Amino acid sequence: GQQLNQSPQSMFIQEGEDVSMNCTSSSIFNTWLWYKQDPGEGPVLLIALYKAGELTPNGRLTAQFGITRKDSFLNISASIPSDVGIYFCAGHTGANSKLTFGKGITLSVRP
Amino acid sequence: NAGVTQTPKFQVLKTGQSMTLQCAQDMNHNSMYWYRQDPGMGLRLIYYSASEGTTDKGEVPNGYNVSRLNKREFSLRLESAAPSQTSVYFCASSERAYEQYFGPGTRLTVT
Repeated sequence: GQQLNQSPQSMFIQEGEDVSMNCTSSSIFNTWLWYKQDPGEGPVLLIALYKAGELTPNGRLTAQFGITRKDSFLNISASIPSDVGIYFCAGHTGANSKLTFGKGITLSVRP
Repeated sequence: NAGVTQTPKFQVLKTGQSMTLQCAQDMNHNSMYWYRQDPGMGLRLIYYSASEGTTDKGEVPNGYNVSRLNKREFSLRLESAAPSQTSVYFCASSERAYEQYFGPGTRLTVT
């Protein structure tokens, strides 16, 4: 079946640093999404990408839809303590009503 | 605007007991989903309903049943709870498969 790969499982950065995460697959996706989950809460949609090569900002976050349609990237600039959480990528093939989720990356930010 | 609501927030069951998790959305979305989240496993789809009157199995449907009561409500039932069903359960809704919006979750412990 389709899988989205996110690694490493955990990342530790210093406050103020930039961080980049990627999400890869052997399958093509028509839509890529990035979610963030705060501790004890449900995932919240950060950015949705609909076109290969698209670069979409959301404040200090920027996500890119890979040109091959098999990967996506999320960059966080000038990290702050509230960036702590789990970041999930998700993809949609357009074939049905389901999303495929990666296993997530847990981000820790040291003050 | 409440978005997606879930009840209860916490529940403890004994092995063999049954219960129903409730989910409602006020965004007039067609599609609704139930996921479970376990450490290191990401979000796994249990069941989904692409539209009112339809339900389909996801990745991990065994031990669960669902009911799409109307366009707003989608319930998840555990007929005979097992310790392996200890998890955090999330409901989500979307107008299309992508851009899913999640509820706050139900934390279930089965002893």
